[in-house]
Amino acid sequence: DAGVIQSPRHEVTEMGQEVTLRCKPISGHDYLFWYRQTMMRGLELLIYFNNNVPIDDSGMPEDRFSAKMPNASFSTLKIQPSEPRDSAVYFCASSRTGGGNTIYFGEGSWLTVV
Amino acid sequence: QKEVEQNSGPLSVPEGAIASLNCTYSDRGSQSFFWYRQYSGKSPELIMFIYSNGDKEDGRFTAQLNKASQYVSLLIRDSQPSDSATYLCAVSGVSGAGSYQLTFGKGTKLSVIP
Repeated sequence: DAGVIQSPRHEVTEMGQEVTLRCKPISGHDYLFWYRQTMMRGLELLIYFNNNVPIDDSGMPEDRFSAKMPNASFSTLKIQPSEPRDSAVYFCASSRTGGGNTIYFGEGSWLTVV
Repeated sequence: QKEVEQNSGPLSVPEGAIASLNCTYSDRGSQSFFWYRQYSGKSPELIMFIYSNGDKEDGRFTAQLNKASQYVSLLIRDSQPSDSATYLCAVSGVSGAGSYQLTFGKGTKLSVIP
């Protein structure tokens, strides 16, 4: 079974540009999570969805960040406008009800904003 | 604000020794506890989970949970150089959809010396 698929794997963009990160969760999983990892702050939960509905977005740093899940197999995390401090690895992860709360991570999107 | 604390390391152990990794958490109501391993440049992968007080063994890995002390540990027996990685402790929310929301520690970097 395919794992969580993220794109792009690497992105370098200029400050002020819009960045869109994409995620396809594991088929059958009804929870989707967006995490951000930096050396300073570790792995932080930004937002998570259950059955395509956002449940908790309290980790989204500011209004420049937005996330959507239009259907069970696709989600996006958008940063507009991007800033150098947004440089991090963004992980998408998924889980399923009854799966023992275990979450499975994608390979991550490495974002550098210059 | 839930907190999960880990010693950042690095923890260096000789090959064949036992590596002991520790984690404390702040939310007394947490129900599920996880250990993830993350190799440099890769995504976190699940090693073990534990729900009940006591020990849980899986091959060379043993997870230990003490809810009264709010303490989780991971023991790695017969440590191998391939175990060199950062180990992340994660704690779930209390109930319902929140139980799928994991809070991660910043990780302990383990180095196994041949």
